[in-house]
Amino acid sequence: KAGVTQTPRYLIKTRGQQVTLSCSPISGHRSVSWYQQTPGQGLQFLFEYFSETQRNKGNFPGRFSGRQFSNSRSEMNVSTLELGDSALYLCASSLDRGGGDTQYFGPGTRLTVL
Amino acid sequence: AQKITQTQPGMFVQEKEAVTLDCTYDTSDPSYGLFWYKQPSSGEMIFLIYQGSYDQQNATEGRYSLNFQKARKSANLVISASQLGDSAMYFCAMREYGNQFYFGTGTSLTVIP
Repeated sequence: KAGVTQTPRYLIKTRGQQVTLSCSPISGHRSVSWYQQTPGQGLQFLFEYFSETQRNKGNFPGRFSGRQFSNSRSEMNVSTLELGDSALYLCASSLDRGGGDTQYFGPGTRLTVL
Repeated sequence: AQKITQTQPGMFVQEKEAVTLDCTYDTSDPSYGLFWYKQPSSGEMIFLIYQGSYDQQNATEGRYSLNFQKARKSANLVISASQLGDSAMYFCAMREYGNQFYFGTGTSLTVIP
């Protein structure tokens, strides 16, 4: 089975621009979560999507948004980029059977904001 | 309160020795899962091992074992016979039923030849 894929792998943007990141989960996985990882803040949860609905949300401003399509693929969008948005963005998918459900991560998208 | 606490920012271990990475968690939900992930310098998070809250036995996966002490809310990762390739960040995580994953701040492990 193919793993979680994320595109693009690397991205350079300037302040004020917007960006869209894409995530394709493992086949059959219905839950997709997004995380932001920075050296200073560690791994922070952005949001989780299940069956095209946002099920859980982290503490991020409204500039960060996401969606999930009927094939479980997910996108996240960051509008009006700030320097502090430079980070590794990780996507993870799971089957979603409850507490015992393992999340599998993609390779991440490394975003640099200049 | 923090859901997951990893108190060791950095650890060193001699090659071929065993090492224990600490993790404590906080939940009032009786149904939850505990996970450990490894993140090498390349950045990808690699799933290592899972322990369910109702599992009676400690989980093991090859050289990895999870020392689950439910009453103490502790889920320490034990790596036996450390190898140079084990040098990485290690994250402990928990998921309550239907809820998001909570991750700790991680422990940086360095294996010394």
